[in-house]
Amino acid sequence: AQSVTQLDSQVPVFEEAPVELRCNYSSSVSVYLFWYVQYPNQGLQLLLKYLSGSTLVKGINGFEAEFNKSQTSFHLRKPSVHISDTAEYFCAVRHYNQGGKLIFGQGTELSVKP
Amino acid sequence: GAVVSQHPSRVICKSGTSVKIECRSLDFQATTMFWYRQFPKKSLMLMATSNEGSKATYEQGVEKDKFLINHASLTLSTLTVTSAHPEDSSFYICSPQKDSNEKLFFGSGTQLSVL
Repeated sequence: AQSVTQLDSQVPVFEEAPVELRCNYSSSVSVYLFWYVQYPNQGLQLLLKYLSGSTLVKGINGFEAEFNKSQTSFHLRKPSVHISDTAEYFCAVRHYNQGGKLIFGQGTELSVKP
Repeated sequence: GAVVSQHPSRVICKSGTSVKIECRSLDFQATTMFWYRQFPKKSLMLMATSNEGSKATYEQGVEKDKFLINHASLTLSTLTVTSAHPEDSSFYICSPQKDSNEKLFFGSGTQLSVL
């Protein structure tokens, strides 16, 4: 079985500062890794995904994440955040052979202050 | 990107009534539909998976008689919360998928409040 742990439930940060949202996963088989963003009362929007290949993945809105197999991590980073990045962020894994079933982390609330 | 229409976006109902939530994939055919539930400040939990024309597969702990899922066509799936109670209040999100390894899409969610 797979599981996902997001180590920080809330991350407050000032505008234009860098941010890292941490995600660790556990799985006995190969997985695909995702980061989603959710704005209040809305569905999910895909930020980026790692399927294979380069371990550094670039996504939308200036976000990137690095897959680290030895540490089973997939931390999300942005060098300079904006007020508009304030949202809930979810890390998720998907078994490579289980279709679209996603296992989500608990979420990290990013709060960007002026 | 693909368009997914989920409605209603918000519904308030009395305890004991049933509520139907619709999820439509507007520009692709969804062979698989996932339904998630999200509690306030919590993660999304998969409730069930349905394939067009087949019975849904429910996750452990999800009552199939309370949460009725219909996936009668490739563009429409419905989730009906039967005899809703306050503990069913939650945010429900659908996620249609075209093929098993295709990109996933998400509806905008339905906030259900049961009084």
